[in-house]
Amino acid sequence: DIQMTQSPSSVSASVGDRVTFTCRASQSVSTSLAWYQHKPGKAPKVLIYAASNLQSGVPPRFSGSGSGTDFTLTISSLQPEDFATYYCQQADSFPYTFGQGTKLEIK
Amino acid sequence: EVQLVESGGGLVQPGGSLRLSCAASGFTFSSYDMHWVRQAAGKGLEWVAAIATAGDSYYPGSVKGRFTISRENAKNSLYLQMNSLRAGDTAVYYCARARWELLHRTYYYYGMDVWGQGTTVTVSS
Repeated sequence: DIQMTQSPSSVSASVGDRVTFTCRASQSVSTSLAWYQHKPGKAPKVLIYAASNLQSGVPPRFSGSGSGTDFTLTISSLQPEDFATYYCQQADSFPYTFGQGTKLEIK
Repeated sequence: EVQLVESGGGLVQPGGSLRLSCAASGFTFSSYDMHWVRQAAGKGLEWVAAIATAGDSYYPGSVKGRFTISRENAKNSLYLQMNSLRAGDTAVYYCARARWELLHRTYYYYGMDVWGQGTTVTVSS
């Protein structure tokens, strides 16, 4: 099984900050990777698909990069609604796997 | 409106069974791979099962042999039959649509782009 490891597990930041999360796969997943935002009591929302493409309707302050085993999600200028937990997920091979998540908290 | 609505969650004793349903609307259900994903309280997202358009099914080791995913395209419905339930299966269960697109002879993963609101399964005596 492909293990997805996210870092950090949690981060505190302020509105307007730039933050970057990382996701590392235990073996190459090519670009078959998506990033999700998840808020309590809500369904997860896909932000980035195919590693670096912005989902329709997602603000351009979100961006993704990487391929193979190393990926990043960047939020260029944090907004109040961005405080949530973020997950990466690989779809290169079954079983699909999610990272353990990065919780973004308000400083 | 593109929508997924789960149902069937509830309280079940350890060793018991439960069948979750997911009703799809607003898109051509038969054209998409479908998934179940769960989240236990205080934990992260865990992929539970997938069924391809052709009917092939996939599971992680944690549920293989106990859970069965199925679909009924004529009813735009997805199901998850859960047997031999354990306390560790307690979670909110989401159904989700997965999208792949073929571009220049390469398939690209567009992610699980539509999710239901979730249904809660509690396994407890």
